Amino acid sequence: DAKTTQPPSMDCAEGRAANLPCNHSTISGNEYVYWYRQIHSQGPQYIIHGLKNNETNEMASLIITEDRKSSTLILPHATLRDTAVYYCIVRTDSNYQLIWGAGTKLIIKP
Amino acid sequence: EPEVTQTPSHQVTQMGQEVILRCVPISNHLYFYWYRQILGQKVEFLVSFYNNEISEKSEIFDDQFSVERPDGSNFTLKIRSTKLEDSAMYFCASSLRQGAYEQYFGPGTRLTVT
Repeated sequence: DAKTTQPPSMDCAEGRAANLPCNHSTISGNEYVYWYRQIHSQGPQYIIHGLKNNETNEMASLIITEDRKSSTLILPHATLRDTAVYYCIVRTDSNYQLIWGAGTKLIIKP
Repeated sequence: EPEVTQTPSHQVTQMGQEVILRCVPISNHLYFYWYRQILGQKVEFLVSFYNNEISEKSEIFDDQFSVERPDGSNFTLKIRSTKLEDSAMYFCASSLRQGAYEQYFGPGTRLTVT
């Protein structure tokens, strides 16, 4: 699976959009981009995933660049409860496991 | 909303003892997983399970570990002879299918080996 690179930490003001970047320059054509988050001491929580097209659900939007070498997770109106570690993971649809990096620690400030 | 549950939430055991961690995956899911997270470190994949057999396992999942689906609802992880370094949070997850499907995680069991 391709490796991902994320900033170790970010701050965002409550009510603003939080934009979390992820680089996956070695991604191959059959690899999906997944985003999970882990609120302190809880189990990881699925947020969103995509292959080529931008995706949106009730939690977030995922913007994937045309060359697929990077992506951005957007939390449109961040709240204090969105403070968590956010993980960008790349994997094929034939793999079972998720391979986790260190993620981005997002702190939402009032 | 359906969720993955795990018991116990915290297990303390002595080195060398056997422990069984229990999980109840989401009822219509077919694929099951165990991950662990040592305090302050990354989440690590242990094993995936489908159709009553292991489909993939990591190097961590050695002979001391085993998984079982003893009935239609439970999914267990057994550690035969615990070591101090087995102390970690253990997360169970399930997914509807393999492939581009999300995995849903339980709240975890904190295992402390003394």
